[in-house]
Amino acid sequence: GAGVSQSPSNKVTEKGKDVELRCDPISGHTALYWYRQSLGQGLEFLIYFQGNSAPDKSGLPSDRFSAERTGGSVSTLTIQRTQQEDSAVYLCASSLGRFLGGSRQSGELFFGEGSRLTVL
Amino acid sequence: DAKTTQPPSMDCAEGRAANLPCNHSTISGNEYVYWYRQIHSQGPQYIIHGLKNNETNEMASLIITEDRKSSTLILPHATLRDTAVYYCIAQYGQNFVFGPGTRLSVLP
Repeated sequence: GAGVSQSPSNKVTEKGKDVELRCDPISGHTALYWYRQSLGQGLEFLIYFQGNSAPDKSGLPSDRFSAERTGGSVSTLTIQRTQQEDSAVYLCASSLGRFLGGSRQSGELFFGEGSRLTVL
Repeated sequence: DAKTTQPPSMDCAEGRAANLPCNHSTISGNEYVYWYRQIHSQGPQYIIHGLKNNETNEMASLIITEDRKSSTLILPHATLRDTAVYYCIAQYGQNFVFGPGTRLSVLP
């Protein structure tokens, strides 16, 4: 498709189970971002990738959270031993990642529709 | 990245211009100002961005003060569909940090 695709769109799981959320960015976009948004709250930055590497993992809330990106394309966010406080919408975004510094940059983020995670 | 400050909420009458302010007094010379909006239950949508000059596109206009310490997003003729949370971000490089934004309610 033309946009950022995320799956599953909805996931209900039991506390303690592991979950994997998938993001398929726009073709050719080198930068990929994960955010999460709890009900009624703003966007919380989790991690971003430039290519397959993650220069900034500072937003991951705990070591139960991990993410990888392979082939400069699809990314997977894994949450181990889920807790109720992990319930949120997990949003993925991608961009061309062309930041030239000082000159006009194309930093537009394109977001997917999110994966809604509910931990019972 | 510079911290931005926005009013938590604003109302605007349908058909009138909506002027959404953003303060970014600590912005550095190479940080751009970006605006996004999030309509209920959807992913955020890019609106516009700029560095120094005022910018206009089919969605909105961005007015940046000469000292770059603040900016205003202008929706020239607000419609009910413009009701959303609007986020102002001062950013350089790859890291986009979203604050709480302004919840704009367009009233009939």
